[in-house]
Amino acid sequence: EVQLVESGGNLVQPGGSLRLSCAASGFIFSDYYMDWVRQAPGKGLEWVGRIRNKPNSYTTEYAASVNGRFTISRDDSKNSLYLQLNSLKTEDTALYYCARGHFASGSYSFDYWGQGTLVTVSS
Amino acid sequence: AIQMTQSPSSLSASVGDRVTITCRASQGIGNDLGWYQQKPGKAPKLLIYVASNLQSGVPSRFSGSGSGTDFTLTISSLQPEDFATYYCLQDLNYPLTFGGGTKVEIK
Repeated sequence: EVQLVESGGNLVQPGGSLRLSCAASGFIFSDYYMDWVRQAPGKGLEWVGRIRNKPNSYTTEYAASVNGRFTISRDDSKNSLYLQLNSLKTEDTALYYCARGHFASGSYSFDYWGQGTLVTVSS
Repeated sequence: AIQMTQSPSSLSASVGDRVTITCRASQGIGNDLGWYQQKPGKAPKLLIYVASNLQSGVPSRFSGSGSGTDFTLTISSLQPEDFATYYCLQDLNYPLTFGGGTKVEIK
């Protein structure tokens, strides 16, 4: 059974940092692209960024709103995905989901999601 | 960035109704669109990928259609468990962008 379990969410002051983790199991983690998606309280979904797999050089993509402040990484030996959040702003307050990428017919979707970890940025 | 506009933002419907949700892209995205269902307090769930392909395990009352800029999610006969918020997502270009969501409520 595919499982994604996020952790690391917390209350942090503006300007602070946090590292989120996503532990994967039930599939060959190293084969897949992985993404982060967030959802502010009572709001819609916002894509945060992506990390590709080793054959694709672990390259990353980011939303403009987080580019330069957030960094996605992975450790395939630990079946784990990470999101380093720096220079946090109050508008980064959200539930952060990790999601597995699913390729089909040249298109990409998120076929499995974790339950999310809550990041609250407040003084 | 490609803007995804969903309509309506909310709707009220009864069990057994046929429900249609639309998503319009600000530029052509081919078939690079998925539909997701989210229930309160839960993670989103993939329903449809590549515009019209039903994800494994999703009931056949869900269907997707469209290409280019205009897409539709249809629920042929609404069931009690379908009351949720639905999102479209384009994956043609970065940044990936979601529609604003459509909340389906009980009439």
